Amino acid sequence: QSALTQPPSASGSLGRSVTISCTGTSSDVGGYKSVSWYQQHPGKAPRLMIYEVSQRPAGVPDRISGSKSGNTASLTVSRLQAEDEADYYCSSYAGKNNWVFGGGTKLTVV
Amino acid sequence: QLQESGPGLVKPSETLSLTCTVAGGSISSSRYYWGWIRQPPGKGLEWIGIFYYNGATYYNPSLKSRAAISVDTSKNEFSLRLSSVTAADTAVYYCARRPKYYYDNSGHYTSSGSLNFDSWGQGTLVSVSS
Repeated sequence: QSALTQPPSASGSLGRSVTISCTGTSSDVGGYKSVSWYQQHPGKAPRLMIYEVSQRPAGVPDRISGSKSGNTASLTVSRLQAEDEADYYCSSYAGKNNWVFGGGTKLTVV
Repeated sequence: QLQESGPGLVKPSETLSLTCTVAGGSISSSRYYWGWIRQPPGKGLEWIGIFYYNGATYYNPSLKSRAAISVDTSKNEFSLRLSSVTAADTAVYYCARRPKYYYDNSGHYTSSGSLNFDSWGQGTLVSVSS
């Protein structure tokens, strides 16, 4: 069982927006501004999309955004494109040089 | 660029050994951590351990001291050893790079707390079976 809870699946229509949640506790998500999100296509290595809750690495489009409220972090993908269909994983610092991942969310673009 | 290498099959109770060769950057750089992450088939990600050039090394407590990371700066590579493996250790193993700092919204060069691996190897599947 993963330390962070993500919905197993999410879907959105082309051109619309979708938000994926990542729920933890005050010992991880709620306690630190250290949440990251990864995108993973089948058979590929994960790609960093968001770090430090809302920072985007170079090359990640600005239609990808992250936020946090209390013990829940969120990833929003706006103006959905077919290439956004992938698995998404959240991660959070959990103190004492330990990090935890969520179980992953499969995003379907319809 | 990062590239994992090692046996694709390990017997139960034995030790899994993998090496990550880094090209285009030095593992002795103060700018980065380097680490290992794994993903069992059809399942999610799990971080194994990370190290910094000054020798600081951190491991996932769930691995209960079975993991060990070593470094060979002369070859610009680092290795993972995972002892007493079982079928549950069957996974794709990735090595990756994690920046230590980033520029925050105020323009300050700040230490990162996220598990922000920004460059990954392609991954290597290791199966544990007799």
